[in-house]
Amino acid sequence: DQQVKQNSPSLSVQEGRISILNCDYTNSMFDYFLWYKKYPAEGPTFLISISSIKDKNEDGRFTVFLNKSAKHLSLHIVPSQPGDSAVYFCAASRNSGNTPLVFGKGTRLSVIA
Amino acid sequence: NAGVMQNPRHLVRRRGQEARLRCSPMKGHSHVYWYRQLPEEGLKFMVYLQKENIIDESGMPKERFSAEFPKEGPSILRIQQVVRGDSAAYFCASSPDRRNGYTFGSGTRLTVV
Repeated sequence: DQQVKQNSPSLSVQEGRISILNCDYTNSMFDYFLWYKKYPAEGPTFLISISSIKDKNEDGRFTVFLNKSAKHLSLHIVPSQPGDSAVYFCAASRNSGNTPLVFGKGTRLSVIA
Repeated sequence: NAGVMQNPRHLVRRRGQEARLRCSPMKGHSHVYWYRQLPEEGLKFMVYLQKENIIDESGMPKERFSAEFPKEGPSILRIQQVVRGDSAAYFCASSPDRRNGYTFGSGTRLTVV
């Protein structure tokens, strides 16, 4: 049972444009959400997180939006750069982050110069 | 300040052999998590340990798998009598406390032949 779903396995975006990566979850007990970026042969790197008490969190070019009623979150990257090409994982947790992360299957982003 | 160190990076084992995966957390981090990534899948939680204690092993297969984090030395994930289905990337992460702001290592890629 996939509790965190990333329905787009891949996404291609032109350099300079906006990249929007989507994530849906089914467990209403999740209250803490994170995005990780992963390059081949490396471990995931933390990008940005959001607590369920917020609906938006911004860090430089990265913004995460949370829609609790729809159980949906998205990661916006603007402007997209070739170095952003990687696999992006959405992850969720309960009890304000005090339980193990549940990951989606990832979306491979390709930013084309 | 070295990150989370995992070794070996690549491990090849024949069916029936034992695999030992090591993880040295970041300095000052006493919480260690092991995740497994099967091909084309997201990361799946296996076990969460603090020094000398297993806190949550709800993601560990019931047989052949064990983990420890001794007072001195690295955390060890041990897989006995490996089978082809154990082939995966195994990632370790560490954190200074129980919240999920943790740092991943580069992983050990286990191949069972």
